[in-house]
Amino acid sequence: DGGITQSPKYLFRKEGQNVTLSCEQNLNHDAMYWYRQDPGQGLRLIYYSQIVNDFQKGDIAEGYSVSREKKESFPLTVTSAQKNPTAFYLCASTGRDYNEQFFGPGTRLTVL
Amino acid sequence: QKEVEQDPGPLSVPEGAIVSLNCTYSNSAFQYFMWYRQYSRKGPELLMYTYSSGNKEDGRFTAQVDKSSKYISLFIRDSQPSDSATYLCAMSDPYSGGYQKVTFGIGTKLQVIP
Repeated sequence: DGGITQSPKYLFRKEGQNVTLSCEQNLNHDAMYWYRQDPGQGLRLIYYSQIVNDFQKGDIAEGYSVSREKKESFPLTVTSAQKNPTAFYLCASTGRDYNEQFFGPGTRLTVL
Repeated sequence: QKEVEQDPGPLSVPEGAIVSLNCTYSNSAFQYFMWYRQYSRKGPELLMYTYSSGNKEDGRFTAQVDKSSKYISLFIRDSQPSDSATYLCAMSDPYSGGYQKVTFGIGTKLQVIP
């Protein structure tokens, strides 16, 4: 079955640590995205990538970094510079029609 | 003013009721309109997708777009407890050039009571 996987499902981080969230898709989609979802704020775009080895900042990129070395993979690193990282993180991808975004199951990050 | 406005609810209805969920938007360039369903602690799932004004039906779900009023709706007929979820509207401008940013509503939490 084609789809998007994210791991881990739950992640706990101590203050000052960097953590990396995994996102893999087997939909052969070119574009991939990372969103952050907080209660009462909806989805906010962190980073997006339209092709391999290229990515762009979204609306709230500070404190985050990404890489896109393979078409299937778009990992997100939450660095210690992100002051309020506790949130639900969602990865998405789109095919040639950039408008229909398909989402993974999400990773819930909690800072202890 | 936000580009997309959506009442967060919660909206509680009895099983079997017709549910109406709505969003308004301010950007007249939006051409693609989508509805996502998100269960608690899960990723959003694409429910409906429409490009033009008018109605689009899929089973118990009908998406309606009124571009002149900048207003979109999702109707759920014969609502079921399994429909209890948060519903997010989303929209984008396909002619913005390059990356077409999708703008999401905040989501409306729906509870269908048996």
